[in-house]
Order: sequence, then structure tokens, then C-alpha cells
Amino acid sequence: GQQLNQSPQSMFIQEGEDVSMNCTSSSIFNTWLWYKQDPGEGPVLLIALYKAGELTSNGRLTAQFGITRKDSFLNISASIPSDVGIYFCAGQFSGGSNYKLTFGKGTLLTVNP
Amino acid sequence: DAGVTQSPTHLIKTRGQQVTLRCSPISGHKSVSWYQQVLGQGPQFIFQYYEKEERGRGNFPDRFSARQFPNYSSELNVNALLLGDSALYLCASRLSGDTDTQYFGPGTRLTVL
Repeated sequence: GQQLNQSPQSMFIQEGEDVSMNCTSSSIFNTWLWYKQDPGEGPVLLIALYKAGELTSNGRLTAQFGITRKDSFLNISASIPSDVGIYFCAGQFSGGSNYKLTFGKGTLLTVNP
Repeated sequence: DAGVTQSPTHLIKTRGQQVTLRCSPISGHKSVSWYQQVLGQGPQFIFQYYEKEERGRGNFPDRFSARQFPNYSSELNVNALLLGDSALYLCASRLSGDTDTQYFGPGTRLTVL
């Protein structure tokens, strides 16, 4: 099935460093979402973006909806050990009544204390 | 309020068997979607149901079927299980509007031997 291009695949950083990850698509979306998934759990919603160019923050997390509607990025500032996990981007094109999400392959984040 | 709940949490089946997975959405949410997440990948869309009707179907064989009940809970059925069906099956619920985001349950880990 289709998956978005998400990079980097993995990151190893020191506590306190900033992190940036991005997602690109060949198709346009009218919603971009960022989720975090811990082992054995379902994805947890971090940030939702509904408008091209929108920049939204949630605590130390900031995400932007690309102007072309084909990309998005997520920044985490001043990382802490509990930021460890897999981060997924997801795009949604709400055509008609179909609201399916298309996901990236994920970015595995490791934070060294 | 309770989030999305799924049962069972883990399941082991053998090839050729059939399995039924269950999902209860967040109270008030009318739309349920199912996703398959193979290890190391992002979730892949299987089905979306809204008001008991199928509103979207991903690229999965006819062995996969689902339904939604009047109380908005849902079941995913998989017949003639294959080894490749081993995955985390995620259920997500959404309120109903265009900008409503999807919230995921913890998933059911299915292992096919």
C-alpha cells in the first residue's frame, strides 16, 4: 500500500538537543497529522494541521503544514528521555466521505540521557 | 472518558483459521476505521465505517471484512488466515465532521503460526 516518504528513518540524539523530521507525498492532503507510538501501543495524536501554511505548537512540539499541501515537518525542542518512540506522519484527504489516513514509515527517536 | 478500546489484546491463530477482532469507539464517535500495522511499517488502511455503512476500503483481499453495530462498535473479521496476516490491528474512531481527527486504540496483536 501507499506510504508517505518520512525522514529520517531513525535518530540518535543527546538529551536537550532539538529534533526535526519531515514527511513528503506525491499527492496533496487537506489534513496532516503527527502521531507518536510506543512499543505495543497504538499511535497517540500529537498535532493536527488543517490548513496549508499552518504552524501549530503543542508544548515543545511544533509542526507545519506545507504550502504545497504535499509535505509537513515536526520539530521537537529540548528533547527529554520520554520523547523516545516512533513518530509517524499521516496525511488525510477528505474526499467525499472517505477519511482514510496514509502513514509514513516512521522515525525512530532515541534520546541519550 | 474512556478512549478507544479493543479486544482481545493478543491472539494466536494457525494458518487457515478465522479471527474476529472487536473495537469500541470513544463515546459519541460515529466513525470507526481499521488499520493493519506490520512490524517496522506505518499503519495501512483497511476499512472505514460510518453510521453502520462502509465508507472506504483499502487494498486488502476479500478475506478481510468488517461491520459496525448500532452502538457504533465494530468487528473486523479475517478468514483463511495467512502467515502474512500477523500484525498489530488498530482501530481508530472519529466524531463525524470534516476536521475531526482520528484517535487510535491500543491494538490487537495477531500472530499467525
